[in-house]
Amino acid sequence: EPEVTQTPSHQVTQMGQEVILRCVPISNHLYFYWYRQILGQKVEFLVSFYNNEISEKSEIFDDQFSVERPDGSNFTLKIRSTKLEDSAMYFCASSSWTREQPQHFGDGTRLSIL
Amino acid sequence: EDKVVQSPLSLVVHEGDTVTLNCSYEVTNFRSLLWYKQEKKAPTFLFMLTSSGIEKKSGRLSSILDKKELSSILNITATQTGDSAIYLCADYSGSYQLTFGKGTKLSVIP
Repeated sequence: EPEVTQTPSHQVTQMGQEVILRCVPISNHLYFYWYRQILGQKVEFLVSFYNNEISEKSEIFDDQFSVERPDGSNFTLKIRSTKLEDSAMYFCASSSWTREQPQHFGDGTRLSIL
Repeated sequence: EDKVVQSPLSLVVHEGDTVTLNCSYEVTNFRSLLWYKQEKKAPTFLFMLTSSGIEKKSGRLSSILDKKELSSILNITATQTGDSAIYLCADYSGSYQLTFGKGTKLSVIP
């Protein structure tokens, strides 16, 4: 069964450094998403992306965050200057040709900011 | 204020028991409600519900939506230790992001 893959599984970074989280969505999906889950808290929406542009973003997704689809398969989340509070599990998700389809999640990247 | 509320937050049952997990949501621009199972990592999709009163079933799991009550239930019959997980409820309302509840942590003991 096709799945969303994320790399790395765990990223440790010094505060203030830039980090890029990578995702390969399911191949025929057109809508892509990033969510995060701080330890012990709810899964929270960050951003959705369609047709090479952001379609929605949450209040969390401020100027330090950016997303990109650099080629036909990868979808990346960049955090420019990491803060301690960015420590969380980051999930990538994708859905098929219409947004009103279930989103399928990757295994996540655990980001630890020191 | 939480838009998606799940109950109970945790539950411990014995193998073979039947459990019912609850989820309530706000009505604003409701489109659909989804259930996911989260074990160690990725939330795994279980059901998507858009119409009231129509049960969705997969093996021992089933779910139904009640639009009048703004709620959904997830039933698991004949529970097994492999059902131990956090069960997440999320809604697509208004925009196309998923809004998640806090989850119900289910522990099934032998």
